[in-house]
Amino acid sequence: SQTIHQWPATLVQPVGSPLSLECTVEGTSNPNLYWYRQAAGRGLQLLFYSVGIGQISSEVPQNLSASRPQDRQFILSSKKLLLSDSGFYLCAWRGQNTGELFFGEGSRLTVL
Amino acid sequence: ELKVEQNPLFLSMQEGKNYTIYCNYSTTSDRLYWYRQDPGKSLESLFVLLSNGAVKQEGRLMASLDTKARLSTLHITAAVHDLSATYFCAVGDYSNYQLIWGAGTKLIIKP
Repeated sequence: SQTIHQWPATLVQPVGSPLSLECTVEGTSNPNLYWYRQAAGRGLQLLFYSVGIGQISSEVPQNLSASRPQDRQFILSSKKLLLSDSGFYLCAWRGQNTGELFFGEGSRLTVL
Repeated sequence: ELKVEQNPLFLSMQEGKNYTIYCNYSTTSDRLYWYRQDPGKSLESLFVLLSNGAVKQEGRLMASLDTKARLSTLHITAAVHDLSATYFCAVGDYSNYQLIWGAGTKLIIKP
């Protein structure tokens, strides 16, 4: 069966520090992968999606970037965090048959 | 541009009551999804509706899809406290591999 893992689960970072969030999927090959952000009490904002290795589409201009160095690995990065980057970051993969998204456990980022 | 509207955005109700959450979308799609999110947690898939007239039920929750009206409903029967959560609907926009999300309905069920 397919599983998706994100880490770290929680992190507190100072403004201006770098960021790296990692997401890996097991049990499927060549999945479509997604990074979402959710601000406190708000809905989902699509940040990036990827349909294959090295293929990244950005939905929102900002100081974040994404990379997909391997088929089942998706990384979200920043060189310098802003206060506004605080939020709950969710990675997801898309089921090929139904188009359903399956989410990881999430990474909660607080920028101070 | 595909847009998805949920209503209500907030719902407080008593245990034992019935209620319905509505999800309207603006352009043609035949794929609609319902998710549940508990506070501080990730999203959990509830229902996948893939055709006009599709109806799915799980326990006290029932979801349906009317693609002609561009409307999906999530009906709650005899609500219990454990159903308190935020519920999101999402519509498939496969021109760009995305789901378009509603804003979510925060449901609070009081004992």
